[in-house]
Amino acid sequence: EAEVAQSPRYKITEKSQAVAFWCDPISGHATLYWYRQILGQGPELLVQFQDESVVDDSQLPKDRFSAERLKGVDSTLKIQPAELGDSAMYLCASSLRALAGGSYNEQFFGPGTRLTVL
Amino acid sequence: AQSVTQLDSQVPVFEEAPVELRCNYSSSVSVYLFWYVQYPNQGLQLLLKYLSGSTLVKGINGFEAEFNKSQTSFHLRKPSVHISDTAEYFCAVILSGYSTLTFGKGTMLLVSP
Repeated sequence: EAEVAQSPRYKITEKSQAVAFWCDPISGHATLYWYRQILGQGPELLVQFQDESVVDDSQLPKDRFSAERLKGVDSTLKIQPAELGDSAMYLCASSLRALAGGSYNEQFFGPGTRLTVL
Repeated sequence: AQSVTQLDSQVPVFEEAPVELRCNYSSSVSVYLFWYVQYPNQGLQLLLKYLSGSTLVKGINGFEAEFNKSQTSFHLRKPSVHISDTAEYFCAVILSGYSTLTFGKGTMLLVSP
């Protein structure tokens, strides 16, 4: 069964360092999402891609976070510099082209990257 | 903007007992509703969804949920829980015509023998 892949699964870093997370969506999925899940909270959308284009990054802290999906397949989320408050689970999800034909397409989630900032 | 409220942060229950996890949403337009389950240090798995049609929705692992438009609720139920159901459960909503999921804060289901 096809799955969303993420790496690393766990990352420990010191504040002010740079970190990067990688996501490989299910083959053929045009839409890719990055979510942040703080301990004890539900996931919150950081950025949504349709192919290689950003369609929603309204909640992405752009002073330190960046995301790219250069060839419209895999994606990288970067934080520079990391802060203590960035400690969280970072989840990637993918779906068939969002709103294709006006119908909903299910989002499939990867296992996440657990980031700890010391 | 839409929002989701999960009224219970933790629900302890004994094995084989029934359980209900509560979810209320607020939205002025039509919504799609979802329940996801998350096991420790794992991603989210879709349990069930309501898009349209019958208000009683059946999902995986014996779970079901009922959409109540007048109460703006989408409570999750299981008639008999197992130890393996111990996990965090998230209710989520999407505005009809959009693709952004808005999640509640989650309910931790703790099943003990």
